[in-house]
Amino acid sequence: TQLLEQSPQFLSIQEGENLTVYCNSSSVFSSLQWYRQEPGEGPVLLVTVVTGGEVKKLKRLTFQFGDARKDSSLHITAAQPGDTGLYLCAGVVNDMRFGAGTRLTVKP
Amino acid sequence: DAGITQSPRHKVTETGTPVTLRCHQTENHRYMYWYRQDPGHGLRLIHYSYGVKDTDKGEVSDGYSVSRSKTEDFLLTLESATSSQTSVYFCAIRGQGTSPLHFGNGTRLTVT
Repeated sequence: TQLLEQSPQFLSIQEGENLTVYCNSSSVFSSLQWYRQEPGEGPVLLVTVVTGGEVKKLKRLTFQFGDARKDSSLHITAAQPGDTGLYLCAGVVNDMRFGAGTRLTVKP
Repeated sequence: DAGITQSPRHKVTETGTPVTLRCHQTENHRYMYWYRQDPGHGLRLIHYSYGVKDTDKGEVSDGYSVSRSKTEDFLLTLESATSSQTSVYFCAIRGQGTSPLHFGNGTRLTVT
């Protein structure tokens, strides 16, 4: 059982559509991080959320940290083919743990 | 980009042989990690280090050992490789507090 459950596991959409991916846990985290990984490369940090209820925006990406600090979501507005990749959430318990990821494909 | 280099980038080895993967950093970060990435499992922590000669086990440490004799190098050893250890291995480094992980570009290991 994963400490962090991500859903959906796969998502394929058309360019211009909106989407939301989720990261859920029964554990409380002091912070959660979102990473994006492209083929053949390591994950790269997108954002860190720290405060319960926090909302952070990164251009067309909106990240929210749940009030209870157990879950987070990533919303992408008007997705583009360049958004294609594996999106991973991560949180620190005793060490940094990752969810299994959401593999997003945006078709032109 | 954070200065982190993994070697080799690709390796094919036979079952039962020893294998060592190297992670080298130029950032002087205290924390270093080894993860493996497999379809459907995401990144799973193998071992990590919080200083020279200070290491601890992660969630999938069986069959692996690590060493950190210098701040800049973190070695992952498979004493006797098995086919279940075929995977992509990522090293990561991290500074203090809530600073993020910076990853290398991975080592693809195939055990035949």
